[in-house]
Amino acid sequence: AQSVSQHNHHVILSEAASLELGCNYSYGGTVNLFWYVQYPGQHLQLLLKYFSGDPLVKGIKGFEAEFIKSKFSFNLRKPSVQWSDTAEYFCAVALDYGGSQGNLIFGKGTKLSVKP
Amino acid sequence: KAGVTQTPRYLIKTRGQQVTLSCSPISGHRSVSWYQQTPGQGLQFLFEYFSETQRNKGNFPGRFSGRQFSNSRSEMNVSTLELGDSALYLCASQRRLDAYNEQFFGPGTRLTVL
Repeated sequence: AQSVSQHNHHVILSEAASLELGCNYSYGGTVNLFWYVQYPGQHLQLLLKYFSGDPLVKGIKGFEAEFIKSKFSFNLRKPSVQWSDTAEYFCAVALDYGGSQGNLIFGKGTKLSVKP
Repeated sequence: KAGVTQTPRYLIKTRGQQVTLSCSPISGHRSVSWYQQTPGQGLQFLFEYFSETQRNKGNFPGRFSGRQFSNSRSEMNVSTLELGDSALYLCASQRRLDAYNEQFFGPGTRLTVL
């Protein structure tokens, strides 16, 4: 079965530190890739998405992610985190069935705590 | 434009009871998906509806069911509740089924089974 792995369960950083959250998936076919964020007490929001084209995608709030097909990875990065980035981050994959999109398969999430 | 709404936001039930949760998608969105979020299992796909038809189903027992109405609103039902059904149930909507869509999530219904 297809799966999504997020390597870090909990990451603690100081403000202005750089962030990289790992995400790997297991599926050999065409996929659409997403990073969602869940701020404390709020609902899941889309940070960024990759469907095709440039493998480096930019999202909201200064986040970016790079799709490396050969490594089945879609890592999330931010050069300088802020206290307001404290949240849980979820990587998700949707299988592309030749133009029709399947359901989202989520990783277990990574909690990011940013110390002021 | 209003987002995805879910009612109720919080629910407390006892084992053996049944529960119905409701989801109203973003206007114009025809696909509704349901997910269960728990600390141990994370986010798991329950089912997806499009134009009143179940298009896809996750690996959950038959106690979990759903439906979609002609106005795209959706309900999910859990019968014979078990303690392990305590979770945050999330609804997501998307406009179409083609491969270039994103899902928009509602705030969820937190179900506690005692």
